[in-house]
Amino acid sequence: GAVVSQHPSRVICKSGTSVKIECRSLDFQATTMFWYRQFPKQSLMLMATSNEGSKATYEQGVEKDKFLINHASLTLSTLTVTSAHPEDSSFYICSAREGTGGKTQYFGPGTRLLVL
Amino acid sequence: TQLLEQSPQFLSIQEGENLTVYCNSSSVFSSLQWYRQEPGEGPVLLVTVVTGGEVKKLKRLTFQFGDARKDSSLHITAAQPGDTGLYLCAGLGGSNFGNEKLTFGTGTRLTIIP
Repeated sequence: GAVVSQHPSRVICKSGTSVKIECRSLDFQATTMFWYRQFPKQSLMLMATSNEGSKATYEQGVEKDKFLINHASLTLSTLTVTSAHPEDSSFYICSAREGTGGKTQYFGPGTRLLVL
Repeated sequence: TQLLEQSPQFLSIQEGENLTVYCNSSSVFSSLQWYRQEPGEGPVLLVTVVTGGEVKKLKRLTFQFGDARKDSSLHITAAQPGDTGLYLCAGLGGSNFGNEKLTFGTGTRLTIIP
């Protein structure tokens, strides 16, 4: 099956710093990638949808200037949490969808972010 | 706001028992998916149901899509400790949502006691 990787798997940073999370589709081209956030004991909440070569579409309540998304190639999307604060500590999960019109999203293993 | 409600939220049962998890919404979906998520990992797709009334079986797991495509259920027969995890339903192409987005349910945390 299709594989999606994320890097890093976990990161600890100081408050006020920026953190970049990478999401890669390893064996297919993903024209669309999705970023989710999951707080402890909660479900996944969609943050934004990114299409290769265009600006990301953010969900209501998600600050686009704080969560910068770049989808510069068909296999890579990045999420940068700028000026991170403790309340940004969460599990960030990306998913990728093949560009052939398929509807299956393949999920990455997630990145655990802890902001001190 | 969570628009896909799952019940129960938590379930702890003995090995060998049967259980059913429900996923309900007021929206109609073009398809509905069920995932299982282990702690510290991403969700893993179990099944996709597309047609109203559709029933799919995956070993001891039986999935059903409601006739109106607004709800779904997951039934596990003779639960095993390996079934422990967070079960998530997710609807695609809901009438209240953009067609491309998956909307996840509130989740059911299942624990099977050996």
